[in-house]
Amino acid sequence: GIQVEQSPPDLILQEGANSTLRCNFSDSVNNLQWFHQNPWGQLINLFYIPSGTKQNGRLSATTVATERYSLLYISSSQTTDSGVYFCAVATGNQFYFGTGTSLTVIP
Amino acid sequence: KAGVTQTPRYLIKTRGQQVTLSCSPISGHRSVSWYQQTPGQGLQFLFEYFSETQRNKGNFPGRFSGRQFSNSRSEMNVSTLELGDSALYLCASRGTDYGYTFGSGTRLTVV
Repeated sequence: GIQVEQSPPDLILQEGANSTLRCNFSDSVNNLQWFHQNPWGQLINLFYIPSGTKQNGRLSATTVATERYSLLYISSSQTTDSGVYFCAVATGNQFYFGTGTSLTVIP
Repeated sequence: KAGVTQTPRYLIKTRGQQVTLSCSPISGHRSVSWYQQTPGQGLQFLFEYFSETQRNKGNFPGRFSGRQFSNSRSEMNVSTLELGDSALYLCASRGTDYGYTFGSGTRLTVV
C-alpha cells in the first residue's frame, strides 16, 4: 500500500501563531484530503486537494502531486484549532492515512 | 443536507459476542467505506461497498464482514469479539465528484 508520512508528529503553538503541517506520500494518488479529528472522534473534512492550492478562511492547503507532498497551513491559530490533523490519500477506493499531527494551541 | 449517520455511538460488548454497526450515507452517495481506529494501529481500512457490492477489502480477519443494502445503508459485523477489537469504527461515504465524508463513529469497547 501507499506510505503516508506526516510531520511534525506533535506541535505546540501560542495562540495567534502560524504553522505548516506536511504530508509526504509514496505513490501517485487520485485523492488527497486533510481532516481534523474533533474530540469526539469525528473526522472533519478540511480540504479535498489532490492537486493545486485551496484556501478556506485561516486554513489553506497546497498539494504538489508530481513531488508527492501536501502542506496544510494554519494562520493566526486559535485554541479551537487544537486536535489531530490527518492527511489521507487514495488510489482507487481505499484511503491510506498518515499517523497524524497532534496540535495544541495554548492561550 | 444530512451527513453520514452512524449508530450506535457507543457500545460495550463481552468477549466472544458479536456486534453489528450501522452507517447511513449522505443521500445519493453509493460508496460506503469502513475504517478502524486504534491507538496502536491508527486508521486502517476495513472494506468499501458500492451499489451493494464489496469493491475492496483491507487486511482484517474473516470475523469482520459487511454488507450494503439497496438504499446504500451499510452494516458491518464483527463476530467472536476479542479485546483487541476495541476501537473507534468510522464510516465514510462518497459521491461521484468529491472526496469522502465521515460519520461521527461508533466507539466499541470489548470487555
